[in-house]
Amino acid sequence: QLQLQESGPGLVKPSETLSLTCTVSGGSISSSGYYWGWIRQPPGKGLEWIGNIYYSGSIYYNPSLKSRVTISVDTSKSQFSLKLTSVTAADTAVYYCARMEWLHWFDPWGQGTLVTVSS
Amino acid sequence: EIVMTQSPATLSVSPGERATLSCRASQSVSTKLAWYQHKPGQAPRLLIYGASTRATGIPARFSGSGSGTEFTLTISSLQSEDFAVYYCQQYTNWPPGLTFGGGTKVEIK
Repeated sequence: QLQLQESGPGLVKPSETLSLTCTVSGGSISSSGYYWGWIRQPPGKGLEWIGNIYYSGSIYYNPSLKSRVTISVDTSKSQFSLKLTSVTAADTAVYYCARMEWLHWFDPWGQGTLVTVSS
Repeated sequence: EIVMTQSPATLSVSPGERATLSCRASQSVSTKLAWYQHKPGQAPRLLIYGASTRATGIPARFSGSGSGTEFTLTISSLQSEDFAVYYCQQYTNWPPGLTFGGGTKVEIK
């Protein structure tokens, strides 16, 4: 059974860089036909797609975040990562990683990790 | 960007009753629409993709319909475990990418 687990600091200072890693287990991150994505949910708000990456390196970013986001993949570690620069309080959210069937739907998702931006 | 609008924001339903949730797209997404269930503190769960195909392991009481700009998720007989927030998501517009609706909270009446 495929499982994804987010990890990273739960507290980031304003203007600094948020860094998270998603570890994939129970399946191959290099499987054909699957992208790997990041989604976030600010407190009390809905879901926002951040971006996704294919094991070969093809990447798509949400245009509203593109200038601050970098997603990368390390197939040797079965991990993919998110970096979000110049964070503000508006970036406080639960961050989820998920597998994406081609550029379609997300399934399954990780449990999510809360990242708070505060000094 | 395609804007997805869900209604109502909150739906109060008694256990055993039917729940009907709506999702509207600002332009046609054909049937490239998914529905998710999200409970507090848990990972969102894929319910429906392709507007009407149930994901693996999803009970038959969940059904999706619609195409173009109007979509519906129906829960035929609400069980206690179905009280959650439901999101729709379109995946037709690459680039720039996909968008989620704002969610409908299904609560106990």
